[in-house]
Amino acid sequence: QQQVKQSPQSLIVQKGGISIINCAYENTAFDYFPWYQQFPGKGPALLIAIRPDVSEKKEGRFTISFNKSAKQFSLHIMDSQPGDSATYFCAASSGDSSYKLIFGSGTRLLVRP
Amino acid sequence: DTEVTQTPKHLVMGMTNKKSLKCEQHMGHRAMYWYKQKAKKPPELMFVYSYEKLSINESVPSRFSPECPNSSLLNLHLHALQPEDSALYLCASSRGQAKNSPLHFGNGTRLTVT
Repeated sequence: QQQVKQSPQSLIVQKGGISIINCAYENTAFDYFPWYQQFPGKGPALLIAIRPDVSEKKEGRFTISFNKSAKQFSLHIMDSQPGDSATYFCAASSGDSSYKLIFGSGTRLLVRP
Repeated sequence: DTEVTQTPKHLVMGMTNKKSLKCEQHMGHRAMYWYKQKAKKPPELMFVYSYEKLSINESVPSRFSPECPNSSLLNLHLHALQPEDSALYLCASSRGQAKNSPLHFGNGTRLTVT
């Protein structure tokens, strides 16, 4: 019940296309859902995050869509660029274990020029 | 550049060696973390320090020993490691609890145990 399931494992998108990464969870106590971006040789960095009281959050080309009833959330990258090529991790945490992030398995995104 | 600094960047050690990984942040964050990341896998939480006290130990083997000398520094002491401990070790910090403040990760120490 503590898992966050992420798909796809890898994704190839043409420059200018839309990249979509999906995550699903079971624990209804989760109340914070961040996305982290990791480039090779670097640590993960927070990209965007959402709480379950909103259904969508947009920051530039990056949008999180959240479906509380389906217990799913997704990351959309609009106008994908080669510089977006990285590994993306969704994550979740709950108030009763609030220092602990449960990470998804990761999606390796390659944006072709 | 990341605001969480980890040294060394790379470390090769034998199974009988003792070594330490170091992490430093000057953002005034009161929570500091050690994560282990294997290739093509997500980070796995090892330890959390909150206000310089060990808050979470994810049942990590005793050959890994964390230390938080002050609010800016975090060490991970390594002794009698196994080859399967080879991984990227990431340090992170946050202002407070995860849902109220994002984790800031360092770029990690790439550890190889021979």
